[in-house]
Amino acid sequence: KQEVTQIPAALSVPEGENLVLNCSFTDSAIYNLQWFRQDPGKGLTSLLLIQSSQREQTSGRLNASLDKSSGRSTLYIAASQPGDSATYLCAVRRSNAGNMLTFGGGTRLMVKP
Amino acid sequence: DGGITQSPKYLFRKEGQNVTLSCEQNLNHDAMYWYRQDPGQGLRLIYYSQIVNDFQKGDIAEGYSVSREKKESFPLTVTSAQKNPTAFYLCASSIGTGTEAFFGQGTRLTVV
Repeated sequence: KQEVTQIPAALSVPEGENLVLNCSFTDSAIYNLQWFRQDPGKGLTSLLLIQSSQREQTSGRLNASLDKSSGRSTLYIAASQPGDSATYLCAVRRSNAGNMLTFGGGTRLMVKP
Repeated sequence: DGGITQSPKYLFRKEGQNVTLSCEQNLNHDAMYWYRQDPGQGLRLIYYSQIVNDFQKGDIAEGYSVSREKKESFPLTVTSAQKNPTAFYLCASSIGTGTEAFFGQGTRLTVV
């Protein structure tokens, strides 16, 4: 059974810092991996999607990497801003069972001005 | 203005009652999903549908039911058999089951 873990569970940093969020998964047979942002009481906003054949994806100040063989992905946020404060979720899409998403518990990020 | 609409945003239910959560999308997506989120936790899959008139159980389907009579709509019924229904419910859709998923804004259900 696929299990997804995100470390740390919570993170507080001063504005301007570069930071890394970690995601690990137990079964490397994944189709792709997706990073999401969730604001309190809201739905999920898709940030980046990395296919299993890719090593990284970039969007603006965000860069996500994928090392499928070791079961890890990282989300790098450059020059963090208070508006980046949110919960960040990673989810892996299983290669079987209808390609369903399995989510990690999320990292709650607070960027202080 | 394309997207996924969930209604209502907040829902209160008495114990023993069934309640239906609405999810509508105008993205022309084939696949739709229902997830449950509990405080401080990730999302868990309740049901999913890859095509109209077809749906499958996810990891935590007990106490829930769905229908998919139209491509645009995937309502979720929380039945009285669901022992702990208070949670945040999220609906999502994608072009196919392996493609990027897009989410609605969620419905917060509280049992009183």
